[in-house]
Amino acid sequence: DVKVTQSSRYLVKRTGEKVFLECVQDMDHENMFWYRQDPGLGLRLIYFSYDVKMKEKGDIPEGYSVSREKKERFSLILESASTNQTSMYLCASSSEYRETQYFGPGTRLLVL
Amino acid sequence: GEDVEQSLFLSVREGDSSVINCTYTDSSSTYLYWYKQEPGAGLQLLTYIFSNMDMKQDQRLTVLLNKKDKHLSLRIADTQTGDSAIYFCALGNTDKLIFGTGTRLQVFP
Repeated sequence: DVKVTQSSRYLVKRTGEKVFLECVQDMDHENMFWYRQDPGLGLRLIYFSYDVKMKEKGDIPEGYSVSREKKERFSLILESASTNQTSMYLCASSSEYRETQYFGPGTRLLVL
Repeated sequence: GEDVEQSLFLSVREGDSSVINCTYTDSSSTYLYWYKQEPGAGLQLLTYIFSNMDMKQDQRLTVLLNKKDKHLSLRIADTQTGDSAIYFCALGNTDKLIFGTGTRLQVFP
């Protein structure tokens, strides 16, 4: 079974803090994705990566950056957290041969 | 860009059938997906359909695809309280997925 894990289920941070969200997958998938989920808006793609050290902007990259130093790990970075970044963050991965994505359990981030 | 629409809420009685609908604008996807999200959890792949199929059945789940009307539906037979969740349709788009807004299914006794 594909397993995608995220470093925290819940996080509480203050405005202006730097926040790291970590995602690890164990299926040797090439593609990894970060989404945020907000009520009524569904999932919105923040960034994705097709390979180590590669990154592509999604639909809402502003205020975020990412890092992919190893194939299994994809990090989402909030350089200076703001209250409008309070959300549920979901990580996913997929093989280069199939677009089916497998999701982690999510990190619920609250920025005060 | 691709636009994928779902109604936000659906409420059904336990034992009835549920039908969750999804409409989209771009018909170039090879696969179309249904994901389920239980409270506080990530998304779980439920089923998918290849774009050259009209129907796929998997136990209590039936997926119907009407390519002409760009309409995808998920029917859950004999809906149970454990089916209460948010259901997302998603369309493949060159290695990415475009998700609908999600439909919250509430099952009452």
